[in-house]
Amino acid sequence: AQRVTQPEKLLSVFKGAPVELKCNYSYSGSPELFWYVQYSRQRLQLLLRHISRESIKGFTADLNKGETSFHLKKPFAQEEDSAMYYCALSGSGGSYIPTFGRGTSLIVHP
Amino acid sequence: NAGVTQTPKFRILKIGQSMTLQCTQDMNHNYMYWYRQDPGMGLKLIYYSVGAGITDKGEVPNGYNVSRSTTEDFPLRLELAAPSQTSVYFCASSYPGRTEAFFGQGTRLTVV
Repeated sequence: AQRVTQPEKLLSVFKGAPVELKCNYSYSGSPELFWYVQYSRQRLQLLLRHISRESIKGFTADLNKGETSFHLKKPFAQEEDSAMYYCALSGSGGSYIPTFGRGTSLIVHP
Repeated sequence: NAGVTQTPKFRILKIGQSMTLQCTQDMNHNYMYWYRQDPGMGLKLIYYSVGAGITDKGEVPNGYNVSRSTTEDFPLRLELAAPSQTSVYFCASSYPGRTEAFFGQGTRLTVV
């Protein structure tokens, strides 16, 4: 079985502060990890995926297989980063169907 | 390119009523999914389909039914609405494999 854990329901920071949204996963094979974002009154959309190893809107995430983590980081938070963030995992073989964490609401105060 | 389109956006149902949430995509994706989003619980998979004529249960299928007669459409049916089905429902689609899922705008359903 595959599982994604996001321990924080809410993360509140001030503009310019560093941000780290935690994601841990449980999967016996080789996973594909994603971060999705949902801005207010918008649909969920892909923010980044670990295989692409790119920075999107200043966010990065590194897959740590030893710690089974895929934390999302940004050095300087902006007010427009306020949103709901979901970590998701796709397995291999017959387990392609994405499994999502419960989400972390990020609020960036001015 | 419309992507994934869900209708309706909002609906209030009385206990015991039935309804169908519509979902259509124009990206020729084989895979389609229905999730429900509850506060603090994240996205739970209700049903999914890997192609026309093929559907399978997800984590929380009770009280729901689906069909997939075409590649484009994946409607979700609630037969006897219950208050526990009050939620936001998302339809999504993707290519086969471990690829990005594209989401609809969601349907906010309240059962009273």
